Amino acid sequence: GAGVSQTPSNKVTEKGKYVELRCDPISGHTALYWYRQSLGQGPEFLIYFQGTGAADDSGLPNDRFFAVRPEGSVSTLKIQRTERGDSAVYLCASSPNQNTEAFFGQGTRLTVV
Amino acid sequence: TQLLEQSPQFLSIQEGENLTVYCNSSSVFSSLQWYRQEPGEGPVLLVTVVTGGEVKKLKRLTFQFGDARKDSSLHITAAQPGDTGLYLCAGLFFELGGKLIFGQGTELSVKP
Repeated sequence: GAGVSQTPSNKVTEKGKYVELRCDPISGHTALYWYRQSLGQGPEFLIYFQGTGAADDSGLPNDRFFAVRPEGSVSTLKIQRTERGDSAVYLCASSPNQNTEAFFGQGTRLTVV
Repeated sequence: TQLLEQSPQFLSIQEGENLTVYCNSSSVFSSLQWYRQEPGEGPVLLVTVVTGGEVKKLKRLTFQFGDARKDSSLHITAAQPGDTGLYLCAGLFFELGGKLIFGQGTELSVKP
């Protein structure tokens, strides 16, 4: 597709379970970002990749959160031992390189019950 | 403490009114972007400003970048119900490399 694709669009999981959220960026975009957004708030930075490497992971809230981008394209955000406080919309964005505008996917709404 | 402050957080106005949203930082932006987001969607880029003092217009929307590149504003003239949404500013800061930081957002409601 032409845009950033995120799957699943909705995910409901039980407290304590493991989840994976997937992001397919725009083809050729080297920079990829993950954000977390609560209702009516601005996106909160989690991590960004330049190519395959995590250029800045300072926004990951704790060691239950981990993200990979093994081939410099698709990225997966992994959350272990989910907690109710992890419930939010997780947004992915990509850009042709760092320092240029980012194009966002529609997000994955994660609900931990 | 937020690196990037956006105000107001909420704005409810009548159709035809004008409004301004502000975005401020104590640090210098290398560039600043404005986004609009509708419920259930990701943010969509409206404009990028790079040069201090820059003014860009997008129909009834006017974007200004401060001379010192520490602040920006979005002005909407004659607001319409279709302008309703969450407006976000996002900045790239020299000292943070490619990390794009968002403000808290302004929830705009335009009533007919």
